[in-house]
Amino acid sequence: AQSVTQPDIHITVSEGASLELRCNYSYGATPYLFWYVQSPGQGLQLLLKYFSGDTLVQGIKGFEAEFKRSQSSFNLRKPSVHWSDAAEYFCAVGENTNAGKSTFGDGTTLTVKP
Amino acid sequence: DGGITQSPKYLFRKEGQNVTLSCEQNLNHDAMYWYRQDPGQGLRLIYYSQIVNDFQKGDIAEGYSVSREKKESFPLTVTSAQKNPTAFYLCAGGPRGGEQFFGPGTRLTVL
Repeated sequence: AQSVTQPDIHITVSEGASLELRCNYSYGATPYLFWYVQSPGQGLQLLLKYFSGDTLVQGIKGFEAEFKRSQSSFNLRKPSVHWSDAAEYFCAVGENTNAGKSTFGDGTTLTVKP
Repeated sequence: DGGITQSPKYLFRKEGQNVTLSCEQNLNHDAMYWYRQDPGQGLRLIYYSQIVNDFQKGDIAEGYSVSREKKESFPLTVTSAQKNPTAFYLCAGGPRGGEQFFGPGTRLTVL
C-alpha cells in the first residue's frame, strides 16, 4: 500500500526567507505526486503535480518541487516566502492505475514571521 | 476551484439522525471523492467513484453511504452508525488517477 510521510508537523520561517517542506513516499511503481495547500476552514488547492519527465516541477505562487526517485522524496521549495504563504501544506501520492485514488500525508503547517 | 460546490458550509444535527452532504461538479470530472478531516490530521478517504453508478469504499467507510446516479453529483450520507461524525468533510473531483479539485468543505457538528 502507498503511504506518505511529512516529517515536519510545523515549520516557522521569516518573511523573505527560503522554504523547503519535506515529503517522502512509499509506492511500488512510478508514482504520481502532488502538493496541495489549505487555508484554515477552506478546501485544498493544487500547487503542482508530477507524473513523469522533468524531475523539477514548477507550480503556482512561485513554488517548485523536485522528484528524487533514489530518495523517494518530493520536497516543496520556495526561494522567498510571503506572509500570505502561511497555511497547511499536504503532499499526496496517487495510484498510477485506473483506480487512481490518492493518499495524503498528515500535513505541514507553515507559519511566517514578519 | 475546479468547479466543485459543497453545501451547506455548516451543518448541525442531533445525535442519531442521518444527514446528507451535497457535492456537485460542473467540469465533467470522471472521478469524485469524499474525505474526512479532523483537527491536526490529514485527509482520510471515505468513498470514491470513478464512474456513474459505481463507487468503492475508502479507508473509513463504516457509518457512511454514497450514491453516484449522475456524473455531476456525489452526495454523502452520514448515518447514525457513524460513532464520531463531527468533522470537516471535503469533496473532490478530477480526472481518474490525476489531480483532485476540492470543494470548500462542510463542517458537520453533531450535538
